[in-house]
Amino acid sequence: AQSVTQPDIHITVSEGASLELRCNYSYGATPYLFWYVQSPGQGLQLLLKYFSGDTLVQGIKGFEAEFKRSQSSFNLRKPSVHWSDAAEYFCAVGTSGTYKYIFGTGTRLKVLA
Amino acid sequence: GAVVSQHPSWVICKSGTSVKIECRSLDFQATTMFWYRQFPKQSLMLMATSNEGSKATYEQGVEKDKFLINHASLTLSTLTVTSAHPEDSSFYICSARLPRGYEDIQYFGAGTRLSVL
Repeated sequence: AQSVTQPDIHITVSEGASLELRCNYSYGATPYLFWYVQSPGQGLQLLLKYFSGDTLVQGIKGFEAEFKRSQSSFNLRKPSVHWSDAAEYFCAVGTSGTYKYIFGTGTRLKVLA
Repeated sequence: GAVVSQHPSWVICKSGTSVKIECRSLDFQATTMFWYRQFPKQSLMLMATSNEGSKATYEQGVEKDKFLINHASLTLSTLTVTSAHPEDSSFYICSARLPRGYEDIQYFGAGTRLSVL
């Protein structure tokens, strides 16, 4: 069955520290992968996406993610976190044909000053 | 580009009344839109796929007579919660699909918080 797992429900980091949010997926075909960010009471903003090609993708706000097929992972990273990065982060896999997304359960990021 | 507007952002209604939520793609045409429901501190649950000019496709367990979806134009989909009850209170988010070559991306609205008294 298709699924997305975000193992960390909550993560707390200090401002200026590096960040890595984990995402593992289960999908039979070549996955289309996404990271979205949601601020409280808001919709989702696309951070970055992977469809094909270079497995290290750059996104907005200084985020990057690396697709590792052998590990079925698409982890999100940022070298130096800012207080404004505190939010909920969702990993998603897009399914071909139906165009639906399967979302992970999300990781809530807290940033300490 | 690729802006999706959702209206209203917050609505409070009495039990038994119906509420309509609009989702518009402002700068692109969307043949497909999606409606999600999100419970507090949880992930997004896909409710239905809205296709322009045809009937919506509902996910298993979603009552189509309770959640009426209309996608009458390439830029507008509406979700009507009929005879709303307190258990329908939730955060509803829409998205619009924008295919660009081989890429296929959903852009999301800001969501609608529904409170049923």
